[in-house]
Amino acid sequence: GEDVEQSLFLSVREGDSSVINCTYTDSSSTYLYWYKQEPGAGLQLLTYIFSNMDMKQDQRLTVLLNKKDKHLSLRIADTQTGDSAIYFCAESIGGSYIPTFGRGTSLIVHP
Amino acid sequence: GAVVSQHPSWVICKSGTSVKIECRSLDFQATTMFWYRQFPKQSLMLMATSNEGSKATYEQGVEKDKFLINHASLTLSTLTVTSAHPEDSSFYICSARRDTDTQYFGPGTRLTVL
Repeated sequence: GEDVEQSLFLSVREGDSSVINCTYTDSSSTYLYWYKQEPGAGLQLLTYIFSNMDMKQDQRLTVLLNKKDKHLSLRIADTQTGDSAIYFCAESIGGSYIPTFGRGTSLIVHP
Repeated sequence: GAVVSQHPSWVICKSGTSVKIECRSLDFQATTMFWYRQFPKQSLMLMATSNEGSKATYEQGVEKDKFLINHASLTLSTLTVTSAHPEDSSFYICSARRDTDTQYFGPGTRLTVL
């Protein structure tokens, strides 16, 4: 299986919360990241969490980490149409700080 | 914030020709630059890591003679796809990093080989 797995699609209504889930396999992950990619563009780092943290909140974004289950989630509150994009989960191991990416989750926000 | 640019943003070339893609860090000095390849609906696959002034480190399965990487200065890295073929068509993304700071990604270059 892949090192980082995430579901491929998520569809939500504007104003609702979105939750994108991710699982990873390497327990020695040090940082876990969420990136956003808009069509035809590069990746934008949204947020990251250190592996000894359980939660991180940044405005509309909440990251939850369950290290025991190797599960990471990104919650976007009050989802807007501008949030439609592909969201990549990634992990880095040890001191490399080089992320290994999942395949990305396409978030579609409809009115 | 840190800005990374790529040029060109898209390129179409004939099979057998070589194509050079530039990656620049505009407002910071990047000690390390990375090149990724992304297929449609796929993840980013790291191709190589380059440090300024030294040879690039290629990931397993990436042909170093096919994908030439030069990191001549702290703000510029180039990727040359030599003798391009249709199977090299892809979205190439670079990123730049200073020390152990986070990576900043460029907007990507769409390569289409006819």
